[in-house]
Amino acid sequence: DAGVIQSPRHEVTEMGQEVTLRCKPISGHNSLFWYRQTMMRGLELLIYFNNNVPIDDSGMPEDRFSAKMPNASFSTLKIQPSEPRDSAVYFCASSLTDRGYTFGSGTRLTVV
Amino acid sequence: EDQVTQSPEALRLQEGESSSLNCSYTVSGLRGLFWYRQDPGKGPEFLFTLYSAGEEKEKERLKATLTKKESFLHITAPKPEDSATYLCAVQALKGAQKLVFGQGTRLTINP
Repeated sequence: DAGVIQSPRHEVTEMGQEVTLRCKPISGHNSLFWYRQTMMRGLELLIYFNNNVPIDDSGMPEDRFSAKMPNASFSTLKIQPSEPRDSAVYFCASSLTDRGYTFGSGTRLTVV
Repeated sequence: EDQVTQSPEALRLQEGESSSLNCSYTVSGLRGLFWYRQDPGKGPEFLFTLYSAGEEKEKERLKATLTKKESFLHITAPKPEDSATYLCAVQALKGAQKLVFGQGTRLTINP
């Protein structure tokens, strides 16, 4: 089992550029979650999907953020345009219903 | 609104010195309380799930307990490799599988 795979591991971009983060969940897991982690706010849920359908996107900070899950094995989180305050570590996690999450290793995003 | 508060923010112990981490929570009906361990530069790693008051779970030097308002993570005779940030999270009966995390306790075990 390869676990949850995120790419890239690190991303440095200039303010105003589009950023796309990618996630491959564990095969057979039916839920996928995007979290953001900062020192000030800790781990915050941005959005989650169940069976590829977005269930709760109330944590998405603003319209600059969007997420898709076109199939059970792939999801993206896009920020357009990016801003310095978006700098954080973004985690993807997957789970089977009512079980604990398995997190990926995260993408460290720096917007300069 | 569901909330999780962890204390202390940071804890430094000597190897072999046992202690406890606290997780206080408010939730509109608890489905489960989760403990995770996070090492620097890595994603959180699942440790335990507790579902009802009075439940306890153990793994090596760690034991998690649950009451109606808080959970404790007891660390017995810790080793330097137990150094990490320990995160607590709650899952409400409403809100499906969403987890709400606390800020974590950063634990350092000195040899």
